[in-house]
Amino acid sequence: DAKTTQPPSMDCAEGRAANLPCNHSTISGNEYVYWYRQIHSQGPQYIIHGLKNNETNEMASLIITEDRKSSTLILPHATLRDTAVYYCIVRAINGATNKLIFGTGTLLAVQP
Amino acid sequence: DAGVTQSPTHLIKTRGQQVTLRCSPKSGHDTVSWYQQALGQGPQFIFQYYEEEERQRGNFPDRFSGHQFPNYSSELNVNALLLGDSALYLCASSLAGLGIKYGYTFGSGTRLTVV
Repeated sequence: DAKTTQPPSMDCAEGRAANLPCNHSTISGNEYVYWYRQIHSQGPQYIIHGLKNNETNEMASLIITEDRKSSTLILPHATLRDTAVYYCIVRAINGATNKLIFGTGTLLAVQP
Repeated sequence: DAGVTQSPTHLIKTRGQQVTLRCSPKSGHDTVSWYQQALGQGPQFIFQYYEEEERQRGNFPDRFSGHQFPNYSSELNVNALLLGDSALYLCASSLAGLGIKYGYTFGSGTRLTVV
């Protein structure tokens, strides 16, 4: 599974868009980009995933660059409840294992 | 619809003791994975159970073992506890073959402290 690099922390004003970057320069053609988040004292929560096209759901949008070497998770209108550690994970859906390999993620602090 | 339920929520054990943690998967899910999360770190994969068998295992010693029951619930057992085993233990459930595509559902974890 490809390695990902994320900034350790970011701040965002409440009501503004939060843009969380992730670098995955060694991503393979069959690997997807997944995002999970972990709010304090809770288990990780699945947010979104994508292969090469931009994706949007009720929680967030995922923008993947054309060369697929980086991506950005966008929370369009951040609230205080979005304060959490956000993990970017790269792996193949049909890989040999189903395990998720978490890094240390990005701590997003939404400020009032 | 209940999500993943883990018990107990907190536990304090002494070095050398044994501990059993329990997990009930989300309704409709048949696969259970266990993760260990040390303070300030991301979760680390321990193992995954499907059809009552261990299907995959991470880089954890044999002191860590598990079991899955016919109702899909699971237990994580840790023998000869070390201080370094202190962590949040997370259980994640999914439907076989689809979890990695549609996302895993995690419980809130069991906080284990070894003294």
